[in-house]
Amino acid sequence: DAKTTQPTSMDCAEGRAANLPCNHSTISGNEYVYWYRQIHSQGPQYIIHGLKNNETNEMASLIITEDRKSSTLILPHATLRDTAVYYCIVRSRGGATNKLIFGTGTLLAVQP
Amino acid sequence: GAVVSQHPSRVICKSGTSVKIECRSLDFQATTMFWYRQFPKQSLMLMATSNEGSKATYEQGVEKDKFLINHASLTLSTLTVTSAHPEDSSFYICSARASPSRDNNTFGSGTRLTVV
Repeated sequence: DAKTTQPTSMDCAEGRAANLPCNHSTISGNEYVYWYRQIHSQGPQYIIHGLKNNETNEMASLIITEDRKSSTLILPHATLRDTAVYYCIVRSRGGATNKLIFGTGTLLAVQP
Repeated sequence: GAVVSQHPSRVICKSGTSVKIECRSLDFQATTMFWYRQFPKQSLMLMATSNEGSKATYEQGVEKDKFLINHASLTLSTLTVTSAHPEDSSFYICSARASPSRDNNTFGSGTRLTVV
């Protein structure tokens, strides 16, 4: 699996948009970009994923650059409950045995 | 949506004893489940892939005789930490994927193991 690089930590003011970057310069053509988050002492939670087009769901938006070497997760209106470690993972889509390998992630601290 | 239940959420055991952690897929069948371990302030580390009806596949450096995995049904995988020692104290998390066509993995809420 391709490796990802994320900032160690970020701060965001409550109510503002949180933009979390991720570099995945060695991503291959069949690999998707997945985002998960982990609130303290809980299991990870799926947020969103994409291949090359931008994606949006009820939780977040995912912007993938045209060359697919980086992406940004956007939480449009961050709340205190969004404080968590956010993991960007690249993985090929198919197969039930596909493993998710976690990097170090970004600790997002939403400030009141 | 897909739900994965993990039990117990917390366990304290004495050094030298064994502890079993259960991971259940509540509303779907999972031929494959994954077990992770997480030490404080660190990321999740994949320990093994649990396969229903066959032997688990362990990641490099994980002792298969210490961390016994059994996946006897399509909805249940168990991880047994044998002869636990204080250094085995950690947060253990399981994960499953509802089907090959489902794009995301669902995680359990984790088990906090403390060995005293």
